Amino acid sequence: EVQLVQSGAEVKKPGESLKISCKGSGYSFTSYWIGWVRQMPGKGLEWMGIIYPGDSDTRYSPSFQGQVTISADKSISTAYLQWSSLKASDTAMYYCARFIAAATNAFDIWGQGTMVTVSS
Amino acid sequence: EIVLTQSPGTLSLSPGERATLSCRASQSVSSSYLAWYQQKPGQAPRLLIYGASSRATGIPDRFSGSGSGTDFTLTISRLEPEDFAVYYCQQYGSSPTFGQGTKVEIK
Repeated sequence: EVQLVQSGAEVKKPGESLKISCKGSGYSFTSYWIGWVRQMPGKGLEWMGIIYPGDSDTRYSPSFQGQVTISADKSISTAYLQWSSLKASDTAMYYCARFIAAATNAFDIWGQGTMVTVSS
Repeated sequence: EIVLTQSPGTLSLSPGERATLSCRASQSVSSSYLAWYQQKPGQAPRLLIYGASSRATGIPDRFSGSGSGTDFTLTISRLEPEDFAVYYCQQYGSSPTFGQGTKVEIK
């Protein structure tokens, strides 16, 4: 079964760092882009950025460039999203999703989401 | 950045009725790069349509997509109880963006 499994919910204080993960299985992890999508409470979907684990080519939405870092470790089929200094406004659900370039140009498989709460 | 505007914001319909959802882009989008997703409360989004009109694997044929250029439509021919959800369009150009969503609620 093709799936993406994300790390568990996090509760952090403003200024703390955080790295959440997304592990792929059931397919060739290095052959497909992985994207990250933010959903703030009660709001819509926002594309944050995307990485190709095969060569770590990474692209960011202008809105998130410099605010987060996307990385991947292909040896363990895992992508990451990290913050160096969290803000209360980072409180949201974060989804990773597999992106099929060329064939569908869409996110066909989604992780279950990681809820990040930032509060003092 | 291409802005996608979905309308209406909320659609109140009864089971069995037809739902027509609109997604308008601020500039032309290649049909190959337009997708639709469904999201139910507490769940991750699910891909419904890609390439503007192709159904994803396992998606019932009551869901259909159409359109080109700046105007795209998702149609649900006969609403089933499980179709009441929020729907998002998404384009993939130089920088992917999502529309703000249309909520389909039970009337």
